[in-house]
Amino acid sequence: LAKTTQPISMDSYEGQEVNITCSHNNIATNDYITWYQQFPSQGPRFIIQGYKTKVTNEVASLFIPADRKSSTLSLPRVSLSDTAVYYCLVGERGGADGLTFGKGTHLIIQP
Amino acid sequence: GAVVSQHPSWVICKSGTSVKIECRSLDFQATTMFWYRQFPKQSLMLMATSNEGSKATYEQGVEKDKFLINHASLTLSTLTVTSAHPEDSSFYICSAATLGQANTEAFFGQGTRLTVV
Repeated sequence: LAKTTQPISMDSYEGQEVNITCSHNNIATNDYITWYQQFPSQGPRFIIQGYKTKVTNEVASLFIPADRKSSTLSLPRVSLSDTAVYYCLVGERGGADGLTFGKGTHLIIQP
Repeated sequence: GAVVSQHPSWVICKSGTSVKIECRSLDFQATTMFWYRQFPKQSLMLMATSNEGSKATYEQGVEKDKFLINHASLTLSTLTVTSAHPEDSSFYICSAATLGQANTEAFFGQGTRLTVV
C-alpha cells in the first residue's frame, strides 16, 4: 500500500478555506485517494474519494494533479466543528486489504 | 452512507477477564470486516481482517489467541479480548466493506473504548 505524508497539524480560523495536502509518491495505477475525518473517541468518517482531477461533494473538494503523486483536500468556510484529525489514504477501491492509516493532520479551527 | 454499529461503546473490565466487542453492518452485507486499534494521540493500526465464514487474517505482531475474531454472518463480526490486561486498554474500531464492488468505501463503527483495570 502506498505510504502517505501529511502535515502533522494545521491551524485556521472560522470562515476560512482550508487546504490540506497529502503526498503519495508511490501511488499505484489501481489506487484511489480517500480522505477520512475523525473526531476524538469516534470512528473515522468518509469525506471524499477520487482518482484524478477534481472531485466535489457537499462538504469538500479533492484536487488531484495529473501525476497523482499528491492530493489536496479543500474545506470551504470551515467552522469550529471542523476541528478534527484528517487522514489521507490510498488503496484499491473494493480491495481486500485493510486501510493503512498514516499519522493524519490535526486541524484546529479557532474563532 | 452505510451504517456500521459497534457495541458496547465503552467497557471497563478487570484484569484477567475477557471482553467481547460486536460489529454489525446494519443495512448492507459485509463480506469483509476489519478491526483496528487506536492508542491515545496515535493513528489507527490494523489488527486483523475478517472474512465471513473463514478464519481471520492477523497483522504481524497481533496475537490471534488473545484477540479472537469471529465473522459468523455477513452482518456481524466479534472481537474478543481474552485475559485482558491494562496494556490492552485502547480504542477498538471496526470497519465493514463488500469486496469487489467498484464503488466501495470502508464504513467505520463508532468505536469501543476498552479500559482494563
